[in-house]
Amino acid sequence: DTGVSQNPRHKITKRGQNVTFRCDPISEHNRLYWYRQTLGQGPEFLTYFQNEAQLEKSRLLSDRFSAERPKGSFSTLEIQRTEQGDSAMYLCASSSTTGTGGEKLFFGSGTQLSVL
Amino acid sequence: KQEVTQIPAALSVPEGENLVLNCSFTDSAIYNLQWFRQDPGKGLTSLLLIQSSQREQTSGRLNASLDKSSGRSTLYIAASQPGDSATYLCAVYNAGNMLTFGGGTRLMVKP
Repeated sequence: DTGVSQNPRHKITKRGQNVTFRCDPISEHNRLYWYRQTLGQGPEFLTYFQNEAQLEKSRLLSDRFSAERPKGSFSTLEIQRTEQGDSAMYLCASSSTTGTGGEKLFFGSGTQLSVL
Repeated sequence: KQEVTQIPAALSVPEGENLVLNCSFTDSAIYNLQWFRQDPGKGLTSLLLIQSSQREQTSGRLNASLDKSSGRSTLYIAASQPGDSATYLCAVYNAGNMLTFGGGTRLMVKP
């Protein structure tokens, strides 16, 4: 068990470019979450998957954002036509459903995006 | 909509002090509450998880309590050390299968 892995750790891009982040959850964790955190704020929920199904999307996830988890293992988060307001830390977390609610989430180290 | 508030937003104490961080939430229908630590530019490290049926959890010098009916939790740190300097985040797990975070408390422990 190597924990939740996120790549890249840092990404600098120019406004208007597309970027893609990857998250590898803890093996056998069936739920995977994406959060966004701006400086000085707590993380905000973006979306989550149970296996390969995307079950919930926040209103924060505009049409420029898309997330996938094609085989129920790793996930990608793509941002198209990046804007300076997209600059943030993007955090991934995974968990294993207990069937009774109240799971413990394990977070990765995040991908820091800077849009110039 | 669940809202989570943490007070104070920032705290500076001398080494060795005992301190209390506060967290409040508006919707008491939660499954659990988690406290996390975050170092600058890093991800989140889980410190303690309290299930909704529990009143408190302890780990080393950390003790977290939960009063679900009043929508409050506290994180108690005993004998603080400079290495405790970080941002502490409180988060509640709702029926919507997501964690809702507070804004965090930035703690500085001075040697």
